[in-house]
Amino acid sequence: AQTVTQSQPEMSVQEAETVTLSCTYDTSENNYYLFWYKQPPSRQMILVIRQEAYKQQNATENRFSVNFQKAAKSFSLKISDSQLGDTAMYFCAFMRSNTGNQFYFGTGTSLTVIP
Amino acid sequence: DAGVIQSPRHEVTEMGQEVTLRCKPISGHNSLFWYRQTMMRGLELLIYFNNNVPIDDSGMPEDRFSAKMPNASFSTLKIQPSEPRDSAVYFCASSIGGSGTEKLFFGSGTQLSVL
Repeated sequence: AQTVTQSQPEMSVQEAETVTLSCTYDTSENNYYLFWYKQPPSRQMILVIRQEAYKQQNATENRFSVNFQKAAKSFSLKISDSQLGDTAMYFCAFMRSNTGNQFYFGTGTSLTVIP
Repeated sequence: DAGVIQSPRHEVTEMGQEVTLRCKPISGHNSLFWYRQTMMRGLELLIYFNNNVPIDDSGMPEDRFSAKMPNASFSTLKIQPSEPRDSAVYFCASSIGGSGTEKLFFGSGTQLSVL
């Protein structure tokens, strides 16, 4: 079975600073996808960033980037120049390839950006 | 694109009543998921469909829960009879399976309160 672990239930960061959220996963698969989703107080689940396991290059989306360590099964999210609008729950997710898209989510990290 | 559409946004009902949650996936998506989110258990996958066929319903908590997908553009999640412990946010999500661009798109969720 696949598991996704987020060991930081809560984090905070000063506005304009950088913060890194941790995620580890357990799988015996070689091909898979990893995701970070953001859930602000509005409750909407928003895709932040996506990484294919077969790609060595770390994904980036503007101020968001990941540090993907396949051997260590680690997938951390770095948020640069934190903004107040980044305050949200962040979920790490794993999806096996060729499985009909079954996704597995971590328990989430609550991030607060302090003005 | 209107995104994944869920209704109602909020539902308050009394214990023992039947509750029906509705979802319209994004047009062209062939996979549909129902998730339940609570503080205690996080995001739980209840059931998912591929091409309108239920693939995995192992997350459905009890026989009181049932889900249907009569066509590619509509799904329901029904709870009968409802209990206070069913109170949660229920998300519907959809994706395109096997496309190599797998991403999960969420609806806005239904906040269910069973009194």
